[in-house]
Amino acid sequence: AQSVTQLDSQVPVFEEAPVELRCNYSSSVSVYLFWYVQYPNQGLQLLLKYLSGSTLVKGINGFEAEFNKSQTSFHLRKPSVHISDTAEYFCAVSEIDQGGKLIFGQGTELSVKP
Amino acid sequence: DSGVTQTPKHLITATGQRVTLRCSPRSGDLSVYWYQQSLDQGLQFLIQYYNGEERAKGNILERFSAQQFPDLHSELNLSSLELGDSALYFCASSRDREIDGYTFGSGTRLTVV
Repeated sequence: AQSVTQLDSQVPVFEEAPVELRCNYSSSVSVYLFWYVQYPNQGLQLLLKYLSGSTLVKGINGFEAEFNKSQTSFHLRKPSVHISDTAEYFCAVSEIDQGGKLIFGQGTELSVKP
Repeated sequence: DSGVTQTPKHLITATGQRVTLRCSPRSGDLSVYWYQQSLDQGLQFLIQYYNGEERAKGNILERFSAQQFPDLHSELNLSSLELGDSALYFCASSRDREIDGYTFGSGTRLTVV
């Protein structure tokens, strides 16, 4: 069965510092990979996705992620964070040809301090 | 506005009661997915409908049921409610069965007292 592990439940960081949110997954078949962001009292917004092709994926708000098949990882990075990036971030996987259901990690709370 | 509409936004009800959550997908989307977000379980897939038919089932309790109507809106019915059913319930929609990135609604916050 597929599973997603987000290695850090909370990541505090200072404004303008770089950040990496780590995500590892487990699946016996090929997968699509996603990062979503959830701001307080809001729904989930898609940050970026990996479907195929280049393993470096760029998303909205300056975020990017790299798919590493051998390490089954999909870490999210941003070179310089802003206060407005404070939110919960979810990594998710979907097995190809399985109808589209997403399996989410437990989330990483990113807290950007001035 | 994501284009996915969920009503109501908040719901408070007593244990043992039954509630219905409603979701209108983004225009043109045929698939509807329901997710539950709780503090102890995180985000969990409940059920998927595609063009009126059930396509996939996740960790959905027998007390819960869903359907998708001809106009493609969907309803999630929760019955014999327990305190542990308190959660955020999200609906998402997509163009077809395959993922190209869901669009999520803003959720219904259910509080069972």
